[in-house]
Amino acid sequence: DIQMTQSPSSLSASVGDRVTITCRASQTIRSYLNWYQQKPGKAPNLLIHSASTLQSGVPSRFSGSGSGTDFTLTISSLQPEDFATYYCQQSFRTPTTFGPGTKVDIK
Amino acid sequence: QVQLQESGPGLVKPSETLSLTCTVSGDSINNYYWTWIRQSPERGLEWIGNIYNTESTKYNPSLNSRVTISIDTSKNQFSLKLTSVTAADTAFYFCARGYYRGAVSFDYWGQGALVTVSS
Repeated sequence: DIQMTQSPSSLSASVGDRVTITCRASQTIRSYLNWYQQKPGKAPNLLIHSASTLQSGVPSRFSGSGSGTDFTLTISSLQPEDFATYYCQQSFRTPTTFGPGTKVDIK
Repeated sequence: QVQLQESGPGLVKPSETLSLTCTVSGDSINNYYWTWIRQSPERGLEWIGNIYNTESTKYNPSLNSRVTISIDTSKNQFSLKLTSVTAADTAFYFCARGYYRGAVSFDYWGQGALVTVSS
């Protein structure tokens, strides 16, 4: 299976901060990388697919980049509703696998 | 508006079979990769498997021998059966729609169903 890692595992930030989360795959996954946001007690919500394509309805402050093995999710100006856990997911090989998550909380 | 809703027992005894159903509304179940994913503190988010085009299934090799996913197009539902459960199968179980755009991402999810394995 392709192993996904994320860093940091958690971070504290303030409203208005620029936040960057990194995801790394154990082998190349080209651009087959998706990002999700999950709030407590809720299902994950798709933010970005194919490494950099914003899912319909997702605010433009979210962006994704990368290819191969290294990817980033950036929130350009953190909003109160963005405090959540973020997961990456590779869809290059079956079984699809998820990263362990990055929890973003309030500083 | 596409909606998914899981249903089934919240408590299953060890060695028995976990059964969940996902009811899809707002879309036809004849397309897309209809998927089961579970989440636990120990394993994180884990893909269980999917069914595509009403009959083609793929399962996580780690669960392959215990999993069956089936579909009932007349009811717009798909189902999960996981046999011989143990405490390690305790988790939130989500159904999701897998949308293929070169590769698959999960764009709609059910709210999740907590299944506890305990005697």
